[in-house]
Amino acid sequence: EVQLVESGGGLVQPGGSLRLSCVASGFTFSAFSMSWVRQAPGKGLEWVSSIKQDGDEKHYVASVKGRFTISRDNTKNSLSLQMTGLRVEDSAVYYCARGQVTTFLPFDYWGQGALVTVTS
Amino acid sequence: QAVLTQPASLSASPGAPASLTCTLRSDINVDTYRIYWYQQKPGSPPQYLLRYKSDSDKQQGSGVPSRFSGSKDASANAGILLISGLQSEDEADYYCMIWDSSGCVFGGGTKLTVL
Repeated sequence: EVQLVESGGGLVQPGGSLRLSCVASGFTFSAFSMSWVRQAPGKGLEWVSSIKQDGDEKHYVASVKGRFTISRDNTKNSLSLQMTGLRVEDSAVYYCARGQVTTFLPFDYWGQGALVTVTS
Repeated sequence: QAVLTQPASLSASPGAPASLTCTLRSDINVDTYRIYWYQQKPGSPPQYLLRYKSDSDKQQGSGVPSRFSGSKDASANAGILLISGLQSEDEADYYCMIWDSSGCVFGGGTKLTVL
């Protein structure tokens, strides 16, 4: 059974940093692209970042470029999102999502999400 | 103008069909894109439903009933998610998505009410 479990969410002040992690199980993690998608409270889905299997290709939504860094450790079946310079508008549930072997899409499995709250 | 525009809400009766639209910005040709559809129920992560580009390039998500299908309306520059035989359990938020030159883009979502 495919499982994605996020951790690392919490409360942080504007300008602060947080690191989200996602541990995968039930599939060959190194064979699949991975992504982060967020959802602000009561709002729609927003794609944040994607990374290819070997980590060489990464993409970010414009609003987080230069502040967020996606990475993965295939030896630990782990995906990470390092978030710096956090803003109030970054507050959201952050979902880890599995992509595909040859493409980023579709995101066919999702974790339950980690809540990030940025507030003073 | 948003890349993908979805009606905020839609209501339909049990047993009836529902057609959810996803209109692409006018400078983006719907024929070029695979459109992905997701369903999200309150308190749960999104679930992948299907992908549609053409009748020869489409994919149903694993375990997704065949009453969920995709199509396009080229004249409206829109992707369509068609749900036939609505059931109460279909009440949810539905999102369309594409991958464009900037990355992944979601529509704003349509809240489907079955009443």
